[in-house]
Amino acid sequence: NAGVTQTPKFRVLKTGQSMTLLCAQDMNHEYMYWYRQDPGMGLRLIHYSVGEGTTAKGEVPDGYNVSRLKKQNFLLGLESAAPSQTSVYFCASSSWTGNNQPQHFGDGTRLSIL
Amino acid sequence: GESVGLHLPTLSVQEGDNSIINCAYSNSASDYFIWYKQESGKGPQFIIDIRSNMDKRQGQRVTVLLNKTVKHLSLQIAATQPGDSAVYFCAELGSGFNKFYFGSGTKLNVKP
Repeated sequence: NAGVTQTPKFRVLKTGQSMTLLCAQDMNHEYMYWYRQDPGMGLRLIHYSVGEGTTAKGEVPDGYNVSRLKKQNFLLGLESAAPSQTSVYFCASSSWTGNNQPQHFGDGTRLSIL
Repeated sequence: GESVGLHLPTLSVQEGDNSIINCAYSNSASDYFIWYKQESGKGPQFIIDIRSNMDKRQGQRVTVLLNKTVKHLSLQIAATQPGDSAVYFCAELGSGFNKFYFGSGTKLNVKP
């Protein structure tokens, strides 16, 4: 059982380049989330989805876009990468069965923008 | 306890001792809390959760205590082992659908 899988694990971009981070979960979870983690700070929510075909903004959505075309996949896009987007990005998912469910995380994508 | 900033608080304990990690949360209306463990280069791993109608919950070698009066959460790890070395952080359920707010974490260093 793979859980939450993120690809790629590492990436270096130049300012202005675009890329897509991929997240896949095999737990049939309804909810999926994208976070960024910066040194000494808690996880901050970028975007989330409560079901296939739906997305919503989190705390820090600017500069990012997302898509949830399939239930098991949640994609995070950087349209024009900036050095401020250098971070570790985590995807998470949680089940639908009521509120108050723990989120399950992938192992992250380490992204550096030069 | 946890704080926002560049440097994580660090707790150093001897192998076999008990560890206590603290967390202050902000929203008195929060009714669900989770402790996560994050090892270097890995994603956060669920350890234990507690709902606001409880004061204490025990798992395997871990206990979470909730004090709603002072908005304080603690994680106790019994007989700490080298494999427990990691960053631990708490999460509180905020408003909205299953949206959490995460603390910055405490680094636990277990000395053999």
